[in-house]
Amino acid sequence: DAGITQSPRHKVTETGTPVTLRCHQTENHRYMYWYRQDPGHGLRLIHYSYGVKDTDKGEVSDGYSVSRSKTEDFLLTLESATSSQTSVYFCAIRRQGSYYGYTFGSGTRLTVV
Amino acid sequence: GDSVTQMEGPVTLSEEAFLTINCTYTATGYPSLFWYVQYPGEGLQLLLKATKADDKGSNKGFEATYRKETTSFHLEKGSVQVSDSAVYFCALFDMEYGNKLVFGAGTILRVKS
Repeated sequence: DAGITQSPRHKVTETGTPVTLRCHQTENHRYMYWYRQDPGHGLRLIHYSYGVKDTDKGEVSDGYSVSRSKTEDFLLTLESATSSQTSVYFCAIRRQGSYYGYTFGSGTRLTVV
Repeated sequence: GDSVTQMEGPVTLSEEAFLTINCTYTATGYPSLFWYVQYPGEGLQLLLKATKADDKGSNKGFEATYRKETTSFHLEKGSVQVSDSAVYFCALFDMEYGNKLVFGAGTILRVKS
């Protein structure tokens, strides 16, 4: 177990408010990812990080920003939440040198009302 | 770009029935292929993988063969159990496409006793 924790597990927020989701890992892996899961779409990549302060956009990055100031934490921020961002958000880590060594967190269910 | 297409669900089977979930892919390079499983309320877990053409991945009675000629990676199990009820995701990892997992939409499997 890679020791990956997401917080919060559930959140309800109002449209227009900022929201930050946290992903924390305990094993010093370089690669971290944020996905969102929606019915009919599977998991879609929002942003990913390949090191401290090194991040890049995924396929659905609009409306989201990320930060990684230390190896163990990868933060996803919705600057101004919208109802279309209601989703389940998953963080994942990947072991360097392993293209299949992904470990996923338990997810954050976010509802924007 | 790379993509994965899965059969739509939900798939409902009786216990001990034979399972097939179809998966086809489009990729620019020579991807590795995966099946992930998500049990209710949990994150994704790697079920099986295949890294090159004609490889067969297997785990927990599930099997899938990497068919390059048909660009397919269908998941099969000879006798399903109620405990197999979950969402199954087909995915690919293409080194020529930014070192990221690309997922299909997922297929819900419900097994009745």
